[in-house]
Amino acid sequence: EPEVTQTPSHQVTQMGQEVILRCVPISNHLYFYWYRQILGQKVEFLVSFYNNEISEKSEIFDDQFSVERPDGSNFTLKIRSTKLEDSAMYFCASSAGFNQPQHFGDGTRLSIL
Amino acid sequence: GENVEQHPSTLSVQEGDSAVIKCTYSDSASNYFPWYKQELGKRPQLIIDIRSNVGEKKDQRIAVTLNKTAKHFSLHITETQPEDSAVYFCAASKHGGATNKLIFGTGTLLAVQP
Repeated sequence: EPEVTQTPSHQVTQMGQEVILRCVPISNHLYFYWYRQILGQKVEFLVSFYNNEISEKSEIFDDQFSVERPDGSNFTLKIRSTKLEDSAMYFCASSAGFNQPQHFGDGTRLSIL
Repeated sequence: GENVEQHPSTLSVQEGDSAVIKCTYSDSASNYFPWYKQELGKRPQLIIDIRSNVGEKKDQRIAVTLNKTAKHFSLHITETQPEDSAVYFCAASKHGGATNKLIFGTGTLLAVQP
């Protein structure tokens, strides 16, 4: 069964540095998402992406964050000037269509020191 | 704002018993309700979903019921097994509108005792 893959599985970064989290969505999917889960809390929506542009973003997704689909397979989340509170598990998800189920990757655990 | 409440936060059952997890959503325009199972350190895995034009859906030992009037939906797991132990998240979304983001509940830690 096709899966969403994410790299790295764990990223440790000094506060103030930039990080890029990478995702390879399921190959025939058209909609891509980033969610985050702070330890012990619920999964929170960050952003959705379709047709090479952001279709929706949450209040969390401020100017510190950006997303990009640099080629035909990768979907990246960039976090600039990382803060301690950015420490969380970041999940990428994809869906075949707007009204189709979203399938999640294994996540990247981001630790900001 | 949009919110999904989930209860209980923890649930312990004996192997073979049934487990029920309940969620309530705030946005009456929500029309898609998936359930995800998340094992420790793993991805949320979609296990079943229901759309608002259906009142109940079943897949082997799991079933989901939806009460649109009360804005409640529930996950039912019958004949529980130790491998059902995980955190279960409900979610709600408004398919067909301008958004399809998932609003998640706070999760239920299910422990199935052998």
